[in-house]
Amino acid sequence: TQTVSQSDAHVTVFEGDSVELRCNYSYGGSIYLSWYIQHHGHGLQFLLKYYSGNPVVQGVNGFEAEFSKSDSSFHLRKASVHWSDSAVYFCAVSPDTNAYKVIFGKGTHLHVLP
Amino acid sequence: GGIITQTPKFLIGQEGQKLTLKCQQNFNHDTMYWYRQDSGKGLRLIYYSITENDLQKGDLSEGYDASREKKSSFSLTVTSAQKNEMAVFLCASSIAGSAETLYFGSGTRLTVL
Repeated sequence: TQTVSQSDAHVTVFEGDSVELRCNYSYGGSIYLSWYIQHHGHGLQFLLKYYSGNPVVQGVNGFEAEFSKSDSSFHLRKASVHWSDSAVYFCAVSPDTNAYKVIFGKGTHLHVLP
Repeated sequence: GGIITQTPKFLIGQEGQKLTLKCQQNFNHDTMYWYRQDSGKGLRLIYYSITENDLQKGDLSEGYDASREKKSSFSLTVTSAQKNEMAVFLCASSIAGSAETLYFGSGTRLTVL
């Protein structure tokens, strides 16, 4: 069974700061890893994904994430945040043996202050 | 582009009541999902359907039924609403074999009095 952990429930930064949102997973085999964003009152929107190849993947709006097999991590980063990046961010994993069973972390609420 | 439409947006029910939530997608995606979102608990998978007429249980299927009436629609029924229950139910879809990219609706917010 795969699990995904997002250790920070809330992260607060100022506009223009860099930010890293942490995601750790546990699973013995190959997995798909993704990040999603949820603005208040809306559904989730896909940001980026990783399965194999270059461990650093680029997403929309300047977001990128880095896969580390040794750390079992897939942290999301942005070099310079904007107030509109304030939202809840979810990390998701699914095993390649059943890619349909997508499991989400509890989410990290990013607050960007002006 | 496409869209996922969930109806109703808000649903208020009574304890013990049977309640049905509906989801339609025009992406022409094969696979559809129902998730429950509770504050502080993230999303939990209730049911998913790989293709029309298929149903698969997720980790939270007890207390729910689902129906994939046709490729574009996927319904979820709360078989007996629990008092003081409050959650958002999210429907999603994906291209078959590409489950790592889900497209979500805006959700149905359930309140049980």
